[in-house]
Amino acid sequence: AQSVTQPDIHITVSEGASLELRCNYSYGATPYLFWYVQSPGQGLQLLLKYFSGDTLVQGIKGFEAEFKRSQSSFNLRKPSVHWSDAAEYFCAVGAFYGGSQGNLIFGKGTKLSVKP
Amino acid sequence: NAGVTQTPKFRVLKTGQSMTLLCAQDMNHEYMYWYRQDPGMGLRLIHYSVGEGTTAKGEVPDGYNVSRLKKQNFLLGLESAAPSQTSVYFCASRHRDRGRRDTEAFFGQGTRLTVV
Repeated sequence: AQSVTQPDIHITVSEGASLELRCNYSYGATPYLFWYVQSPGQGLQLLLKYFSGDTLVQGIKGFEAEFKRSQSSFNLRKPSVHWSDAAEYFCAVGAFYGGSQGNLIFGKGTKLSVKP
Repeated sequence: NAGVTQTPKFRVLKTGQSMTLLCAQDMNHEYMYWYRQDPGMGLRLIHYSVGEGTTAKGEVPDGYNVSRLKKQNFLLGLESAAPSQTSVYFCASRHRDRGRRDTEAFFGQGTRLTVV
């Protein structure tokens, strides 16, 4: 069965500082990985996704993520955080094959606060 | 483009009442999902569907039923609402293309349900 762990419940960074949000997954086959962002009272917006190929993927709003199979990780990074990045971030893993085909599981999220 | 539309957006139920949440998508997506979001718990998958006429249980299916009679609609039912079902419910859909590459999920704006 798939599972996703986001170890950090809440992170606070200063505006202009770099950011890394951690995501670890458990899945028996090649994972399909996603990062979504949710602003308060809003739905979820896709930041980036990984299916195969280059393990460093670029997303919207200056975010990137790196897939590391050996560490079962898919960490989200941004070199310089803006106040508008304050939101909750969710990592998700999708199953394409097997008994749980089509399944899409989310982590519990990391809330990002940005200090001026 | 409408994308994923959830109806209603808000609802208050009394314990024991029943209701149906409707999710409609106009993107011809094969997969559809119902999640619930609670503080500190992230998004938990209730049920999902990989095609018309098929449904599968997710992480927290108890107390809910679903139906997918038409490809564009995915209904979530609560037969006898309980206060523990107070939550924000999100519907999502995604496409599975012919190249067998997974795709990202698109989300509705959510339904805020309160059971008193």
